[in-house]
Amino acid sequence: KAGVTQTPRYLIKTRGQQVTLSCSPISGHRSVSWYQQTPGQGLQFLFEYFSETQRNKGNFPGRFSGRQFSNSRSEMNVSTLELGDSALYLCASSLSFGVYEQYFGPGTRLTVT
Amino acid sequence: EDQVTQSPEALRLQEGESSSLNCSYTVSGLRGLFWYRQDPGKGPEFLFTLYSAGEEKEKERLKATLTKKESFLHITAPKPEDSATYLCAVQRGGSEKLVFGKGTKLTVNP
Repeated sequence: KAGVTQTPRYLIKTRGQQVTLSCSPISGHRSVSWYQQTPGQGLQFLFEYFSETQRNKGNFPGRFSGRQFSNSRSEMNVSTLELGDSALYLCASSLSFGVYEQYFGPGTRLTVT
Repeated sequence: EDQVTQSPEALRLQEGESSSLNCSYTVSGLRGLFWYRQDPGKGPEFLFTLYSAGEEKEKERLKATLTKKESFLHITAPKPEDSATYLCAVQRGGSEKLVFGKGTKLTVNP
């Protein structure tokens, strides 16, 4: 069974630009969560989607947004990039909402210059 | 506010030298505590879920235990391939998000 896939794996952007990251969950999984990982803050929850609806949101500014499609694939968008947005962005999928054995993808390494 | 503290931040062991990693938590109404392993450049790999105090789970050389205030990940006779960062996370009842600790970086020398 294929795992969680994320594209692209690496991305370099300039301050002020926007970026879209993609996540395909494990087949049959309907819940997708996004996390930001940095050396200083560790793993921090961004948001969770289930059935195309955002169910939970972490403490991030409105520049961070996401969506989920009918096939459970998800995208997250960061607008007006700042240097501090440089991080590893991780997507995790689980079978359903509230079932929390989450399986993570390899992440997208975003560098903002 | 939910908090997870892992200790030590880093641990160096010789191959075969058993030890334990600690995860202490403050959360209102724990729903579950999760252990993950993360290798450099990769996403976290799920290891265990613990739901209630007194529960224990084992997988190969790893054993996770849970009390009302903390969890331990015991590593018995570790091998160099056990080297990784081990992450602990909690989920509060009524909330779906995971709150992670900052991890323990384990290095096992041959």
